[in-house]
Amino acid sequence: DGGITQSPKYLFRKEGQNVTLSCEQNLNHDAMYWYRQDPGQGLRLIYYSQIVNDFQKGDIAEGYSVSREKKESFPLTVTSAQKNPTAFYLCASSIDRAFQPQHFGDGTRLSIL
Amino acid sequence: QKEVEQNSGPLSVPEGAIASLNCTYSDRGSQSFFWYRQYSGKSPELIMSIYSNGDKEDGRFTAQLNKASQYVSLLIRDSQPSDSATYLCAVKNYGGSQGNLIFGKGTKLSVKP
Repeated sequence: DGGITQSPKYLFRKEGQNVTLSCEQNLNHDAMYWYRQDPGQGLRLIYYSQIVNDFQKGDIAEGYSVSREKKESFPLTVTSAQKNPTAFYLCASSIDRAFQPQHFGDGTRLSIL
Repeated sequence: QKEVEQNSGPLSVPEGAIASLNCTYSDRGSQSFFWYRQYSGKSPELIMSIYSNGDKEDGRFTAQLNKASQYVSLLIRDSQPSDSATYLCAVKNYGGSQGNLIFGKGTKLSVKP
């Protein structure tokens, strides 16, 4: 069954702690994306990657970091520099960046302890 | 700043009626348009894509695009309570590094039995 798997579903972060959200896809898609969704808000792009070992900042990259060492994987680290990390984080992928649409994983809900 | 505007709702329609959801966008260079359905607490699910002016039908869903007026709409015929969700409009411009999806904040639809 092809799809995008995000883990964990729920995550709690302590003050000053970095946490990493996992995103894995078996769709053989080149492009992957991370979005943040706050209540009543649209999706905002954090980072995207068009190809392995390459990624670009989106609209709200401050306080976040990513890596793309494998085509299938695009983990997002929420660093302690992100002062308001509580949100619903969504990972998406598409065949390539020029060709949409994007398909989403089930999301990770991050809260501060 | 490229923008996608949607009426936040809630839009309430009786079961069996036609629900009409509208979206306007600011960037005339936009070339791809998508509708996503998002149930409460879940991730967005792609339901329609449209790329050229006119209507595109898929089952009970019809997407309508008018590039001259810069709007895209989604009609849901024979609305069911299971259609109750937030509908996100997303627009893509292929221009350079700005060729990312821009999401509206969504319209909440409630279908009453």
